[in-house]
Amino acid sequence: EPEVTQTPSHQVTQMGQEVILRCVPISNHLYFYWYRQILGQKVEFLVSFYNNEISEKSEIFDDQFSVERPDGSNFTLKIRSTKLEDSAMYFCASSYYGYTFGSGTRLTVV
Amino acid sequence: AQTVTQSQPEMSVQEAETVTLSCTYDTSESDYYLFWYKQPPSRQMILVIRQEAYKQQNATENRFSVNFQKAAKSFSLKISDSQLGDAAMYFCAYRSGTGNQFYFGTGTSLTVIP
Repeated sequence: EPEVTQTPSHQVTQMGQEVILRCVPISNHLYFYWYRQILGQKVEFLVSFYNNEISEKSEIFDDQFSVERPDGSNFTLKIRSTKLEDSAMYFCASSYYGYTFGSGTRLTVV
Repeated sequence: AQTVTQSQPEMSVQEAETVTLSCTYDTSESDYYLFWYKQPPSRQMILVIRQEAYKQQNATENRFSVNFQKAAKSFSLKISDSQLGDAAMYFCAYRSGTGNQFYFGTGTSLTVIP
């Protein structure tokens, strides 16, 4: 069964550093998403991306966040200057008819 | 905005017994989908079951079934013959039929007692 692949599975970064989380969506999917889950809390929507542009974003997705589809296969989430409160699990997802979540990247900001 | 409420932060069940996890939601839409996701300690999101709002028949996947009460906006998950591997966090989720964003509940932590 096709999968959404996220790398790395765990990333540790220093506060103030830039970090890029990577995702490879399912190849025939057209919509791409990022979600965030702070430890012990619910999963929250960050952003959706379609046709090479952001289609929807939440209030969490402020100017420190950006997304990009740099080539035909990758979908990335960049956090420009990480803060301690950015520590969370970040899930990528993609959809067309079905909707599939990746296995997540655990980001730890120290 | 749509809201999803899971009123049971924690539940426990004896192995081989049945347990029901509750979920309610609030929406003004008529076309939507409801989901239950399982999140084990690895924190991967695993789809357990989905229900289309236009379908009156409750969805079933092996030992997992739902009780979908559209008028009451209730969507509970029943796990029959509980197994140790069912222990996990369970999230109820809503997705509009016209949108792509998921709205998740706060989760129910299920413990299975041997």
